[in-house]
Amino acid sequence: DIQMTQSPSSLSASVGDRVTITCRASQGIRNDLGWYQQKPGKAPKRLIYVASSLQSGVPSRFSGSGSGTEFTLTISSLQPEDFATYYCLQHNSYPLMFGQGTKVEIK
Amino acid sequence: EVQLVESGGGLVQPGGSLRLSCAASGFTFSNHGMHWVRQDPGKGLVWVSHIETNGHNTDYADSVKGRFTISRDNAKNTLYLQMNSLRAEDTAVYYCVRVYYGIDIWGQGTMVTVSS
Repeated sequence: DIQMTQSPSSLSASVGDRVTITCRASQGIRNDLGWYQQKPGKAPKRLIYVASSLQSGVPSRFSGSGSGTEFTLTISSLQPEDFATYYCLQHNSYPLMFGQGTKVEIK
Repeated sequence: EVQLVESGGGLVQPGGSLRLSCAASGFTFSNHGMHWVRQDPGKGLVWVSHIETNGHNTDYADSVKGRFTISRDNAKNTLYLQMNSLRAEDTAVYYCVRVYYGIDIWGQGTMVTVSS
């Protein structure tokens, strides 16, 4: 099984800050990775697909990069509505595996 | 509008059974593979099962293999998850999700509580 290691597990940041979240795969997954945002009591929402493509309707301050085993989600200028939990997902092979999540909190 | 609506969750005793349904609308259901994903209260996301477009090919997480069965009715635009021999650790919100370059669309989820 492919394991996904996401870091950090939580972070505190201020509005306007640049935020970076990383996921590492235990083996190569090409670019078969997505990033999701989840707010309390709500279903996750996809932000990025195939590692670096922005989902329609998602603000351009969100970006993704990486291929193979290391991937990054960047929020260029954190906005109040971005405080949430973020997950990566590898869909290269079964079982699909999510990262453990990164909770982004207000500093 | 593309929409997935789950139903069928509830409280069930350990060892019991439950069938979840997911009604799809706003897209051609038969063109997409589908998954079930669950989330323990206050915890992370866990993939449960997958079914391909034709309903013949399925995959399961080891934790549910032999107890859960995924199926679909393309004529009714509906996905199912039959859950048998339920355990306390199956307590979670269950999401129906669509396959498109991974997972794109999520339902709102249905809560399953396994407790005596």
